[in-house]
Amino acid sequence: NAGVMQNPRHLVRRRGQEARLRCSPMKGHSHVYWYRQLPEEGLKFMVYLQKENIIDESGMPKERFSAEFPKEGPSILRIQQVVRGDSAAYFCASSPLPIREAFFGQGTRLTVV
Amino acid sequence: GQQLNQSPQSMFIQEGEDVSMNCTSSSIFNTWLWYKQEPGEGPVLLIALYKAGELTSNGRLTAQFGITRKDSFLNISASIPSDVGIYFCAGQLEGGGSNYKLTFGKGTLLTVNP
Repeated sequence: NAGVMQNPRHLVRRRGQEARLRCSPMKGHSHVYWYRQLPEEGLKFMVYLQKENIIDESGMPKERFSAEFPKEGPSILRIQQVVRGDSAAYFCASSPLPIREAFFGQGTRLTVV
Repeated sequence: GQQLNQSPQSMFIQEGEDVSMNCTSSSIFNTWLWYKQEPGEGPVLLIALYKAGELTSNGRLTAQFGITRKDSFLNISASIPSDVGIYFCAGQLEGGGSNYKLTFGKGTLLTVNP
């Protein structure tokens, strides 16, 4: 059973471009969570999605950030018009139920130049 | 937002030594989780604690859920070089409606000298 798959592992974008991060949850998991980790910081909750629904986006900035988890395909975290402060590691986690012990992917390290 | 104070920030120890790190908060948590993160990787769950006073082991790792529900500690006995990494505590705040949301500490960087 493959783990949570995130791609790309590393992403470089120029200021003003769009960043699109993908997350394929573990097989059988319909709950996906996105966290952001700034350098030398802990992970911070961004958004929780179930298939086709955003359940909680309280940790996601209101502007430029959006997330989706379509019926088919991976979950996508989209950052429009990236700025240097968006540089961070973005982790996706998944679970079969809305539980705490979600499994994390390896992350996408976004660098904005 | 809610904060978890994790200490120490970093530790340099010799192989074979025991290690202890802890997390404290001013808020009550109903779950404590301990994760390890290696460079370039995602966090891996080590131990999960669900009840105040609970003491749980996973090999050389032992963690406890504090009686006040505001703290937790992790001990690693007889450290080995592969214990190197960043250890995070994470908690789930008491209260309904968000049983999935974790609050993370800033991590303890562990270096083990062979």
